[in-house]
Amino acid sequence: GQQVMQIPQYQHVQEGEDFTTYCNSSTTLSNIQWYKQRPGGHPVFLIQLVKSGEVKKQKRLTFQFGEAKKNSSLHITATQTTDVGTYFCAGSWTTDSWGKLQFGAGTQVVVTP
Amino acid sequence: SQTIHQWPATLVQPVGSPLSLECTVEGTSNPNLYWYRQAAGRGLQLLFYSVGIGQISSEVPQNLSASRPQDRQFILSSKKLLLSDSGFYLCAWLMNTEAFFGQGTRLTVV
Repeated sequence: GQQVMQIPQYQHVQEGEDFTTYCNSSTTLSNIQWYKQRPGGHPVFLIQLVKSGEVKKQKRLTFQFGEAKKNSSLHITATQTTDVGTYFCAGSWTTDSWGKLQFGAGTQVVVTP
Repeated sequence: SQTIHQWPATLVQPVGSPLSLECTVEGTSNPNLYWYRQAAGRGLQLLFYSVGIGQISSEVPQNLSASRPQDRQFILSSKKLLLSDSGFYLCAWLMNTEAFFGQGTRLTVV
């Protein structure tokens, strides 16, 4: 079935450093979303990308959707301890509102002060 | 405003016992509802989704079942729990492709 692959699974980052997590689909996505789950919490929506080549920024977070709409990335600059958590991408292959959302395995981020 | 409620927050059940987790949504009608499971330190596995009353689609064969008796109610059940059913169960409501999650139920089967 359709699924999204996310790498890396774990990311240890020194505070102040940058890092990127990647998400890939073997087939063209309708849209892709990113969620953050703090330890012990539930996933919370961050952003949605719909257009080919789209780039969106939220403060230190930069989200990108590939030209072919098969991959996406999340880049965090100047990592802070508040960035700790697991970041998930979630893909949808249909524009219909009933479309399923398939989550990647997530990137668990640990920040070292 | 729309909200999603899920309970209980934590649950410890013996192997072989039944399970019933409930999820309700307020402030909307005919929502698309989902059950996900997250094993410890793992990603989100889609278990079931429902686009309306009595309409359930299963993503993976397993020991669990789901029902949608009312428009804004989604129930996850099991007749006999297995150790492998332990995990963090999340109900989600999809609005315009964005998922809103309940607080989750942390299930430990002992």
